[in-house]
Order: sequence, then structure tokens, then C-alpha cells
Amino acid sequence: DQQVKQNSPSLSVQEGRISILNCDYTNSMFDYFLWYKKYPAEGPTFLISISSIKDKNEDGRFTVFLNKSAKHLSLHIVPSQPGDSAVYFCAASALSGETGGSEKLVFGKGTKLTVNP
Amino acid sequence: DAGVIQSPRHEVTEMGQEVTLRCKPISGHDYLFWYRQTMMRGLELLIYFNNNVPIDDSGMPEDRFSAKMPNASFSTLKIQPSEPRDSAVYFCASTPSGFMNTEAFFGQGTRLTVV
Repeated sequence: DQQVKQNSPSLSVQEGRISILNCDYTNSMFDYFLWYKKYPAEGPTFLISISSIKDKNEDGRFTVFLNKSAKHLSLHIVPSQPGDSAVYFCAASALSGETGGSEKLVFGKGTKLTVNP
Repeated sequence: DAGVIQSPRHEVTEMGQEVTLRCKPISGHDYLFWYRQTMMRGLELLIYFNNNVPIDDSGMPEDRFSAKMPNASFSTLKIQPSEPRDSAVYFCASTPSGFMNTEAFFGQGTRLTVV
């Protein structure tokens, strides 16, 4: 059973417009959420994160929103650029029962974003 | 630091052969993770180590898969015997700690094709 779901396999937007990538999770123990970006033939790279004590985190053109009651988060990219074309993975982690540390990241399947010039 | 280094980048092997994937984590990182990426399942965590000790291998699909970390700078993921359904991209990642405010750094991956 997928604990982190990205229901849109792909998204296409025009350069300069907003890109919104969505992610849902089912495990209420998740308390830290991350977005990774992946270009072809490369490993995923960290993009932005948010703790469950916040509902918004912004870094330049990238903003992540968290709605805990809905178990939903989203990544907004404004304005979108052709270089943003990549696969975006949503990931979540929960406090480990044994050590108290968050050690496991659970990933969604990814959403392929295409930004058209 | 050169980042997480994986080898080989590509591996093509015949069904039934043994395959060994290698990873060198970032120096000083305490945690090492092995992930597998497929179209159907996305990025799956196979196993992770803390200070060279395997902590959770619940993601390892079968006994054909094994992983070791003999020292802080080297880990292997072995598949014996390999099967076509093992074809995927395998990623290694490391973090300086397991705590929630730390993101994982990924290697470039090994694309495995079993024919």
C-alpha cells in the first residue's frame, strides 16, 4: 500500500505560469516532508522541505504547502522555467519508535513536469 | 567532496548471473540507503545502514538480494541469481544523520538490465 501518493504521473505547463504538483499521504505519523527533483540519468536532488509544525515554506520560486488535516501537500513553482522540467518526487518521514530519529524516507512515484517555452 | 559515488553506471547481465552494485557514501555521513526505482513502484527503500550496521532490510524483495557495509566508505548490493524483473535503476544515498531536518544525498544510480 502506497503511503505517499502522487496521483498525477505528468504535468505540462507554459513557461512563466505556475506549476502545482500534488502529493497525498496516508500515514498520520509522518511529520517531515520533502520534495526532490530528478533529471534524466541523474540521482534525485533535494529541493525543499517542510516540517509538520508549519503549513508553508518558501524558497525563491518554490513554495511547499502542507494541509495536515487533509494529509495533503503541494509544491508551487512560480514562475515556471524550462529548466524546471524534471521528475518531482514527494517524500515523507516519521519519527522512528526506537531511536526517536526520522530515518526512513518514503517516496511517491513521482510526477514528470514539462515546462514548455 | 565528490558526492555519493555509485558503480557501475550501467550493468547488463544475463538471468541467473550474480550482480554486485557498489556505493561510496559522502565522507562523514552516518547513514546509507539503497533505493530501487521502477515505473510501477517509484522509489522504494530496500535497506539502510547506520554506522555500517543494517537497521532495516524490510524492503529487500527476496533472499536473492543482500547488502553489506564493511566500512564507513563502502557498501555493496548483491543480487544472486538475478532475474529480468530485477531490472531497474538502483540508487544509493547517504545522510549525515537520521534526524528529520536532514535531506538525503543521492548517487547517480546504476541502471541494471537483466536479460
